[in-house]
Amino acid sequence: GESVGLHLPTLSVQEGDNSIINCAYSNSASDYFIWYKQESGKGPQFIIDIRSNMDKRQGQRVTVLLNKTVKHLSLQIAATQPGDSAVYFCAEKGDGGATNKLIFGTGTLLAVQP
Amino acid sequence: DTGVSQDPRHKITKRGQNVTFRCDPISEHNRLYWYRQTLGQGPEFLTYFQNEAQLEKSRLLSDRFSAERPKGSFSTLEIQRTEQGDSAMYLCASSNSGRDTQYFGPGTRLTVL
Repeated sequence: GESVGLHLPTLSVQEGDNSIINCAYSNSASDYFIWYKQESGKGPQFIIDIRSNMDKRQGQRVTVLLNKTVKHLSLQIAATQPGDSAVYFCAEKGDGGATNKLIFGTGTLLAVQP
Repeated sequence: DTGVSQDPRHKITKRGQNVTFRCDPISEHNRLYWYRQTLGQGPEFLTYFQNEAQLEKSRLLSDRFSAERPKGSFSTLEIQRTEQGDSAMYLCASSNSGRDTQYFGPGTRLTVL
């Protein structure tokens, strides 16, 4: 049967510091990547996305970096606030457009200390 | 707020019962997705509709699961003969064709006793 991992990787930061959350993706044919924030008991909330023809994209207080060579994605949050505390998921849309499903990573728990 | 809505938000049922969940997508979105999420895991894709056509189904979607989107607007997900292993959060998302961003609803938390 499927095992359930209850112990998420955790990143603990001080309020006001910058946070970097990392993600490794699996499919080199993936052409679209997206970050979601999920608070307890709620659905995932869209943060920022990036297409595979870009290396970097910036939003308000957030930046996503894509390194296709090593299949790595990161989310940078500037001046982290207590309201940023949540689980963060990266997801990829793979197979060069042959599918519309998102494949999610494990998730990282961001804990912001006041 | 005209985001994705799901009903009910919570459902407790006994093993062997049938349950049905509803999802209303963002009004102008023609694509609708169902995902399942268990504790500590990321969402897992179940199925996807474009308008009323069901275009993709995961192997996770056993024959006890059926999804419909009869008029290309809201969708229902039915689970027949529920099992304890079906306990999870069932998430719905929607998007527009031509744009990949999927927006999620609040989910339906299913507990099978």
